Amino acid sequence: QVQLVQSATEVKMPGASVKVSCKASGYTFISYYIHWVRQAPGQGLEWMGIIDPDGGSTTYAQNFQGRFTMTRDTSTTTVYMELSSLRPDDAAVYFCVRELHGGIFDYWGQGTPVTVSS
Amino acid sequence: QTVVTQEPSLTVSPGGTVTLTCTSSTEEVTGTYYANWFQQKPGQAPRALIYNATNKHSWTPARFSGSLLGGKAALTLSGVQPEDEADYYCLLRYGGPWVFGGGTKVTVL
Repeated sequence: QVQLVQSATEVKMPGASVKVSCKASGYTFISYYIHWVRQAPGQGLEWMGIIDPDGGSTTYAQNFQGRFTMTRDTSTTTVYMELSSLRPDDAAVYFCVRELHGGIFDYWGQGTPVTVSS
Repeated sequence: QTVVTQEPSLTVSPGGTVTLTCTSSTEEVTGTYYANWFQQKPGQAPRALIYNATNKHSWTPARFSGSLLGGKAALTLSGVQPEDEADYYCLLRYGGPWVFGGGTKVTVL
């Protein structure tokens, strides 16, 4: 069965970086894009970016350009997101979600809470 | 900056019908925006309901339907059940980037 399993909760200090993983299984890894989405406490969903595991090309939301990086490891079918220069307002749950080419979103990861606090 | 607007909240009676809309600040929503709809309950990851404006996933209950209506994407819940109480989000594609709507909280009362 299709699964996207994300890494565990992170607690970081302001100014630090965080790296979250999303391990894909149950399907052909390179056939689906992976998006990253975040949700601050009590707020809505915010689209962050997309990576094509087949080649590694990326598109970032304008709000995150410069301190947000997505990578993938095809040998372990894992996608990573790294957010640097963390601020308190980066505290959120970060989700990965799969898209079949052509705008078909289906499976989501369980989410990774990130706390930013001194 | 592109803004996608949804009704902040809607209330519906059990068994009733409610339509949620998704509006783009730039132009009318058409099929090229690949509208997706998601349901989210407290403490859970979102769940995909509709893709490409009108298409359901295999797990999407029949009472949910998507459409393009008057230049907007729309999600209609017919014969609403108590378990449909949740937040609903639309997602639109703008070329490369995607943008979520602000979400609609649906209360079943």
